[in-house]
Order: sequence, then structure tokens, then C-alpha cells
Amino acid sequence: NAGVMQNPRHLVRRRGQEARLRCSPMKGHSHVYWYRQLPEEGLKFMVYLQKENIIDESGMPKERFSAEFPKEGPSILRIQQVVRGDSAAYFCASSPLAGGLEQFFGPGTRLTVL
Amino acid sequence: DQQVKQNSPSLSVQEGRISILNCDYTNSMFDYFLWYKKYPAEGPTFLISISSIKDKNEDGRFTVFLNKSAKHLSLHIVPSQPGDSAVYFCAASVFGGYQKVTFGTGTKLQVIP
Repeated sequence: NAGVMQNPRHLVRRRGQEARLRCSPMKGHSHVYWYRQLPEEGLKFMVYLQKENIIDESGMPKERFSAEFPKEGPSILRIQQVVRGDSAAYFCASSPLAGGLEQFFGPGTRLTVL
Repeated sequence: DQQVKQNSPSLSVQEGRISILNCDYTNSMFDYFLWYKKYPAEGPTFLISISSIKDKNEDGRFTVFLNKSAKHLSLHIVPSQPGDSAVYFCAASVFGGYQKVTFGTGTKLQVIP
């Protein structure tokens, strides 16, 4: 059973470009969480999605950031018009249940904005 | 507002000795606590957890202690092994139909052979 997959593992963008980060949850998991880890900080919750629904996006910046988890395909975290402050590691986690006490993390995507 | 705090950014321990990692929290609504282990270039891996109704949970070499009155928890690793060298994140959540987890900043543990 493959774990949570994220791609790309590394992404370099210039200021003003768009970044798309993909997350394929573990098989059978329909709940996806996105976290961001800035340098020297812990992981910060961004958004929680179920299939086709955004349940909690309280950790998402109000502008430029969006997330989706379509019925088919991976979850996508999209950052428009990236700025240097968006440089971070972005982790996706999945769980089989809404109240799943354990979240399984992917290896992360390291975004660098030049 | 850092609701989960790990005040020691790093810790070095001799192989075979006990490693004690500490964590403090401020939100009294947290009812579930977790420890994650993270190697470089990998995602965090769940290690052990404890519900707020307990004060101790043990799994092999790993034991987590919870002191609710002090809003403090600790992770004990006995005996420590070189493979335990990693960054350890303390995390906490308030169950509201799903687990919205708040992480600490991590403690880098180095186990010296």
C-alpha cells in the first residue's frame, strides 16, 4: 500500500509565477490536510479537505492560495503570483476517517521562490 | 501565538541513555496529543499519542507523559539508539469532527554512539 505521495518534491518558481503542488492520499483515505513549514518553525495547518469539499481553510492566507480535492485525482494546492515569503516546505497528510487520530504525511514539496 | 511550545531546539544524548523531550501547551481545549518524528527530506511519521483522559501511554521504548494541570507533556525514549536521531515534533488537537493539529517547533535529537 503506497504511502501519501507528493509531487514535485522540489519546485523552483520566480516571483509572480504560479505554483501547483499535488498530493495523492493513501489508498482508501478521503481526508486530506495541507501544512506549511517555514524555516526554523513547526508545521502550520493550512486547510482540510474531503472529496470535493473544503471543510476548514482557516489556516490559508486570504489571497493567492487555494486548494481543491476533486472527485478524481490528487488534491492540489495552488499558489498564484508567488512571493519570496512563500518559500517553504509544504506537507500533505491524509487520514481514512474525519476523526482519524493519526494523519499520514507525505514527503513534502520544497518550494523555492527566486 | 504559539500554542504548542518546545523550548529546547536540540538535545544530545549518549546511546543507551534516556532521552527526555519536553513540550508545553497553552490551549486548555486540547484533548489529544501526539509526537511525530521527522528525518531530513521526509514527512513527519507518527510515533505515539495520548488522550487527555490519560496521564501515561507506553509503546516499546517510547513513553509519553501528560500533566494536564501543568499543561506539559514529555516523551521518554529508553534506551536511546542512534537511529532515533531526528527532529521530534510535539502536536496537539481539539477534536471537532476532525483532527486539526497544532505543531510545536520541534526538538532535534542527536543520539551519540
